[in-house]
Amino acid sequence: DAGITQSPRYKITETGRQVTLMCHQTWSHSYMFWYRQDLGHGLRLIYYSAAADITDKGEVPDGYVVSRSKTENFPLTLESATRSQTSVYFCASRAGAAYEQYFGPGTRLTVT
Amino acid sequence: SQQGEEDPQALSIQEGENATMNCSYKTSINNLQWYRQNSGRGLVHLILIRSNEREKHSGRLRVTLDTSKKSSSLLITASRAADTASYFCATVLNSGYSTLTFGKGTMLLVSP
Repeated sequence: DAGITQSPRYKITETGRQVTLMCHQTWSHSYMFWYRQDLGHGLRLIYYSAAADITDKGEVPDGYVVSRSKTENFPLTLESATRSQTSVYFCASRAGAAYEQYFGPGTRLTVT
Repeated sequence: SQQGEEDPQALSIQEGENATMNCSYKTSINNLQWYRQNSGRGLVHLILIRSNEREKHSGRLRVTLDTSKKSSSLLITASRAADTASYFCATVLNSGYSTLTFGKGTMLLVSP
């Protein structure tokens, strides 16, 4: 199906474990983004990518790793999950610098 | 720091009434965008207004932009219960062209 998808949609993990959240888009958009959404903080940018093999930090990158070997995929890895990383994570993509963004459905992550 | 700040934080109206939400920002922008988020879902792009535009319409939505006051407003006319959602403004800066900076949103409740 066309669009932007995220997997898994729900994930429960334990403190210290590595977790990878997947994001896939079918539009060949250049830009891809990872946000986290928490009550009281709105959406905060974790990492973004302007093209394959080009990534950059956002507002809250600590504890996260990204890669973008293919244009359509942008996985987000929590190297050693902490309770403070319990959140809803949204992936988004955009065709160009000054265009609208399209968001995935989100992944609800709980770290116990 | 938050570039966009929505006002009010919450708004409760009856079906058929108009809803107005405001957004203020701090630095020079390339464009400003409004998004809607239904509970438990991803964000959906509503409208984009560029810095050289003053007003834009899309269906029942009207967006204005005042760059001298660094503010924007979103008007939803003849609101419906289905408009119940959170609404976010987001800005693309003139510098750092790549990323969107979101406000914390306005929660709109439209009662039948």
